[in-house]
Amino acid sequence: EAQVTQNPRYLITVTGKKLTVTCSQNMNHEYMSWYRQDPGLGLRQIYYSMNVEVTDKGDVPEGYKVSRKEKRNFPLILESPSPNQTSLYFCASSLKRAGELFFGEGSRLTVL
Amino acid sequence: SQKIEQNSEALNIQEGKTATLTCNYTNYSPAYLQWYRQDPGRGPVFLLLIRENEKEKRKERLKVTFDTTLKQSLFHITASQPADSATYLCAGYNNNDMRFGAGTRLTVKP
Repeated sequence: EAQVTQNPRYLITVTGKKLTVTCSQNMNHEYMSWYRQDPGLGLRQIYYSMNVEVTDKGDVPEGYKVSRKEKRNFPLILESPSPNQTSLYFCASSLKRAGELFFGEGSRLTVL
Repeated sequence: SQKIEQNSEALNIQEGKTATLTCNYTNYSPAYLQWYRQDPGRGPVFLLLIRENEKEKRKERLKVTFDTTLKQSLFHITASQPADSATYLCAGYNNNDMRFGAGTRLTVKP
């Protein structure tokens, strides 16, 4: 089954404790992206990757890092989480940049 | 700043009626517009894509229009059903930039 898998789905952590949210897709998509979704603000892009070893900032990259060492994986790293990073995070992939996006089920992160 | 806006936060309609959702864009010229459906606690699911040179696209009970003069896309669900209740997101793409609206929560009442 074609899918985008994110882990963990739910996480409560404390300020400053590094965490990684994993994302994996099994569709051989070149393009992958991370979004955060906050009430009233919609989906905002954090980082995206056009292909392996190619990443770029989206609208809200501050406080986040990503890497794309393999085509299927695109982890989101929060080196020192802060409460303003409490949000619902979505990973997405598509065959090409402007194509239909396939989203994961989301990761709800709470930073205390 | 570049914006994609969905003016209605929520829309309530009666079953069987046509739901019309609006997406407007400012300081932005998307080459494509996409519409997604999002159910509570789930990721968005792609519904339709329309290019700037297309005026209208249809898929079953769904219809989307793209008016570059008004800088607007309309999304219609005809013969709406309670199962259509969800949040619908509009997204615009241009020049490596994909932007989403905040979404419209549609409730279809029996």
